[in-house]
Amino acid sequence: GQQLNQSPQSMFIQEGEDVSMNCTSSSIFNTWLWYKQDPGEGPVLLIALYKAGELTSNGRLTAQFGITRKDSFLNISASIPSDVGIYFCAGQSIDRDDKIIFGKGTRLHILP
Amino acid sequence: IAGITQAPTSQILAAGRRMTLRCTQDMRHNAMYWYRQDLGLGLRLIHYSNTAGTTGKGEVPDGYSVSRANTDDFPLTLASAVPSQTSVYFCASRKGQGNTEAFFGQGTRLTVV
Repeated sequence: GQQLNQSPQSMFIQEGEDVSMNCTSSSIFNTWLWYKQDPGEGPVLLIALYKAGELTSNGRLTAQFGITRKDSFLNISASIPSDVGIYFCAGQSIDRDDKIIFGKGTRLHILP
Repeated sequence: IAGITQAPTSQILAAGRRMTLRCTQDMRHNAMYWYRQDLGLGLRLIHYSNTAGTTGKGEVPDGYSVSRANTDDFPLTLASAVPSQTSVYFCASRKGQGNTEAFFGQGTRLTVV
């Protein structure tokens, strides 16, 4: 089946540092999504990418849809304590019934 | 407040028992999904439904069944629970296929003992 390889699995950073995480797949996706999950909550959409090569920003977050349609990255600039959580990449493919498939997540820890 | 609601929020269940996790949305979304979340494995798709009356299998469908009798409800049933089904279960919905955002419920924490 489809698999998304997300890395790193976890990150420990200092407040104010920039963060980068990425996702790769052996399959092509039509849409790449990045979600964040806070403790005890369901995931919430951060950024959606619909075109190969697309670069999209949402405040301090920037994400890109890889040109091959098999990868995506998410950058967070100047991290703050509320950035703590689990970040998931996800992909959608029209030729696979448009299911949303998730990566395993990147757990972000911010050191005081 | 419009949204997606799951029930129960948590449950401890004896192995071998039957259990139905409920999911209801009032956004008139066509597509609905059930995921399970396990440490180190992320969110894995169990079953999905792109419209009322249709369902499909996800990545880990074994041991689970779903039905979609109407637009609003998408219950997930464990016919005979086993300990490996201990997990946090999330229901999600979105307006339709294509470029639409998926909204998640708060999750159901299920422990099978």
